Amino acid sequence: DAGVTQSPTHLIKTRGQQVTLRCSPKSGHDTVSWYQQALGQGPQFIFQYYEEEERQRGNFPDRFSGHQFPNYSSELNVNALLLGDSALYLCASNLGTSDSNEQFFGPGTRLTVL
Amino acid sequence: AQSVSQHNHHVILSEAASLELGCNYSYGGTVNLFWYVQYPGQHLQLLLKYFSGDPLVKGIKGFEAEFIKSKFSFNLRKPSVQWSDTAEYFCAVHAGNNRKLIWGLGTSLAVNP
Repeated sequence: DAGVTQSPTHLIKTRGQQVTLRCSPKSGHDTVSWYQQALGQGPQFIFQYYEEEERQRGNFPDRFSGHQFPNYSSELNVNALLLGDSALYLCASNLGTSDSNEQFFGPGTRLTVL
Repeated sequence: AQSVSQHNHHVILSEAASLELGCNYSYGGTVNLFWYVQYPGQHLQLLLKYFSGDPLVKGIKGFEAEFIKSKFSFNLRKPSVQWSDTAEYFCAVHAGNNRKLIWGLGTSLAVNP
């Protein structure tokens, strides 16, 4: 049973560039959430996708956008990168109709902006 | 605004010592509560969760947590820690119909052999 997978594992970009991060949810899950975890901080919620639509969004600027595909995989796009976007980006999945709300996390993508 | 606070940012213990990590949240309604652990170089894993019922919940690796509604707390405990418990511990909350997890800043636990 495959867990949540993310790619790439590490990425180095320069300010102003654009980046796309990818996530495949755990088998059987249909909901994907993205989090940003800065060094020494807890994860911060970016947004959640369900049925290919953004269902909820945290306090992140419009430079952060996403997409969910029919197979439930998801992408996180960040435009006009800033130094402060350097962080670990986590993807989590769950079954949207479940009462448990338990989310399963991937290993993350470490983004460094120079 | 809903928030989660973890009282201890860094904890250092010797093996066999008892552990208690504090977690308080600010929300007056129904909550689902979680403790996640992040071992060095690994991804976040669920330690335990509370949705309803018995407020004392048991998780993996001998951890337990007690939900005290009147204190808005969900403290994590382990009677005797091991070196392998060295990790970052996060408390997280689903508040009401909110679909996002709200996280504490985390507690870094170092257990000396």
